[in-house]
Amino acid sequence: QQQVKQSPQSLIVQKGGISIINCAYENTAFDYFPWYQQFPGKGPALLIAIRPDVSEKKEGRFTISFNKSAKQFSLHIMDSQPGDSATYFCAAGEGNEKLTFGTGTRLTIIP
Amino acid sequence: DAGITQSPRHKVTETGTPVTLRCHQTENHRYMYWYRQDPGHGLRLIHYSYGVKDTDKGEVSDGYSVSRSKTEDFLLTLESATSSQTSVYFCAISELGGAYEQYFGPGTRLTVT
Repeated sequence: QQQVKQSPQSLIVQKGGISIINCAYENTAFDYFPWYQQFPGKGPALLIAIRPDVSEKKEGRFTISFNKSAKQFSLHIMDSQPGDSATYFCAAGEGNEKLTFGTGTRLTIIP
Repeated sequence: DAGITQSPRHKVTETGTPVTLRCHQTENHRYMYWYRQDPGHGLRLIHYSYGVKDTDKGEVSDGYSVSRSKTEDFLLTLESATSSQTSVYFCAISELGGAYEQYFGPGTRLTVT
């Protein structure tokens, strides 16, 4: 049973546009929602994370929007650049337990 | 980069042979994880450790075993490799556990022929 559902599977955005990736979760006990960025041949790296006491967190061009009632969260990349082309994973965690990852979104930014 | 190394980085082996992958950290973090990454499945947890000699299963643990005799080393063993275990394996570490940042190693690409 997939506890974190991520969409879309792939996304193509023009340079300067907004990239939006969505995730939905089922376990209401989750209290940590990170996004990881992975470049080809590299391990994933934490990009930005949010906890459910806030509805939005912004770091530079990257924003997480969190909707607790809908059990959804999303990553917005403003002014998308070719260097943002990567695979993005959402995840959800609870206390000292494991992180559960989404299936990933391959983002391509075209000039 | 967090001080995590994985060895080997690439390996080709035959069906039925045993394989051990090593993860080494220099951060003295308590938690260590083994994931496999496959197209369409994202990152799936195989096993994890919450201290020396303390390990637990993840969602895809069948066919894998782990050991952690020292804080810095976490070994993943495939007792008898199968073609379905062809994958990229990532080790990760975390100071405080699941609901906190995990740092990933560079990965090991394993091919079972």
